Amino acid sequence: GQNIDQPTEMTATEGAIVQINCTYQTSGFNGLFWYQQHAGEAPTFLSYNVLDGLEEKGRFSSFLSRSKGYSYLLLKELQMKDSASYLCAVVDSNYQLIWGAGTKLIIKP
Amino acid sequence: TAGITQAPTSQILAAGRSMTLRCTQDMRHNAMYWYRQDLGLGLRLIHYSNTAGTTGKGEVPDGYSVSRANTDDFPLTLASAVPSQTSVYFCASSDRGGETEAFFGQGTRLTVV
Repeated sequence: GQNIDQPTEMTATEGAIVQINCTYQTSGFNGLFWYQQHAGEAPTFLSYNVLDGLEEKGRFSSFLSRSKGYSYLLLKELQMKDSASYLCAVVDSNYQLIWGAGTKLIIKP
Repeated sequence: TAGITQAPTSQILAAGRSMTLRCTQDMRHNAMYWYRQDLGLGLRLIHYSNTAGTTGKGEVPDGYSVSRANTDDFPLTLASAVPSQTSVYFCASSDRGGETEAFFGQGTRLTVV
């Protein structure tokens, strides 16, 4: 079967750094996406990794290790507006997205 | 630019009734998708279309049907609604399927009573 695991919920402090992990077991791998979803809104694209390593985009970075079936999203200098759910999605061998259940991130002042 | 739009935003539907959720995109994307999102389960694919004129079944297709007569529109029909179809429905599109980022509509909150 195909499986994406993320923590259900995390709490962090404004101004701090948080790392959200995602492990996957899928039939094939053709890339991994991270999306952000604020409550009551649609998911929006954050990052895409297809090769091993770190992709940095402003305060957000995403890391991939294909051999370990592992990715993380790193958020620096946390702001209150970063309170949202973060969704990990893997592109399988059929180029379909397999979605994790999402990690709800709560930012405290 | 509108991007991708869904209608209606929300709906209360009596069990046994039929309904069509509308989805239109103006980005000329080839691929379109319908997902449902339920608490704790994440996004689950209902149906997809890789290009106009073709459709495919996703993870949870039962009770739903779709059509893709042209590039822009991808309606989702519930033939006879049941309470378990209460959910938030998202339509999405992408330029080249799973290789490129997906853009989502604002969602339709459907309650079947």
